Amino acid sequence: AQTVTQSQPEMSVQEAETVTLSCTYDTSESDYYLFWYKQPPSRQMILVIRQEAYKQQNATENRFSVNFQKAAKSFSLKISDSQLGDAAMYFCAYTGDHDKIIFGKGTRLHILP
Amino acid sequence: KAGVTQTPRYLIKTRGQQVTLSCSPISGHRSVSWYQQTPGQGLQFLFEYFSETQRNKGNFPGRFSGRQFSNSRSEMNVSTLELGDSALYLCASTRNAGIMNTEAFFGQGTRLTVV
Repeated sequence: AQTVTQSQPEMSVQEAETVTLSCTYDTSESDYYLFWYKQPPSRQMILVIRQEAYKQQNATENRFSVNFQKAAKSFSLKISDSQLGDAAMYFCAYTGDHDKIIFGKGTRLHILP
Repeated sequence: KAGVTQTPRYLIKTRGQQVTLSCSPISGHRSVSWYQQTPGQGLQFLFEYFSETQRNKGNFPGRFSGRQFSNSRSEMNVSTLELGDSALYLCASTRNAGIMNTEAFFGQGTRLTVV
């Protein structure tokens, strides 16, 4: 069975600094997608970034980028120039042939002004 | 365009009662998935509906059921509520079945409290 592990329950970063959230996953599938979702206090899950496993190039969305290490089954999220609005719960997630999203337990990110 | 709408936002029910939650997907989206979010178990997949048919199901007891209507709106029902059913229930919609090649859009959830 596929699993997603986020080893950092909470993290803090100074505003304007860079922070990296860690995620590892386990799967035997060759074709899959990885995601980072953000859940602010409003509770709505918002897609931050998506990575297709067959693409070697790391995905980037503005201040958000990933470091996808397929062999190591690692998928970390880097947030550059952190802003107060980035404070939220971040979930690493996986989907494969089963077509359901498997989420990690989440990392709560605090932004310090 | 309007996002995914879940109603009600909050519910308080008593043990043994049943509850129905509603999810209206984004216009044009035909697939609706449901997830349960609790502090202990995190986010867990309940089921997915596409074109009024249950396409995929998670590992939940039969007390949890759902359906989808011809307009793609979906309802999930929980019967004989237990305290452990207290959770945030999230709905996600996608244009077509599955999420491998598309983006899932989530609603703001329904917070269910069982007392």
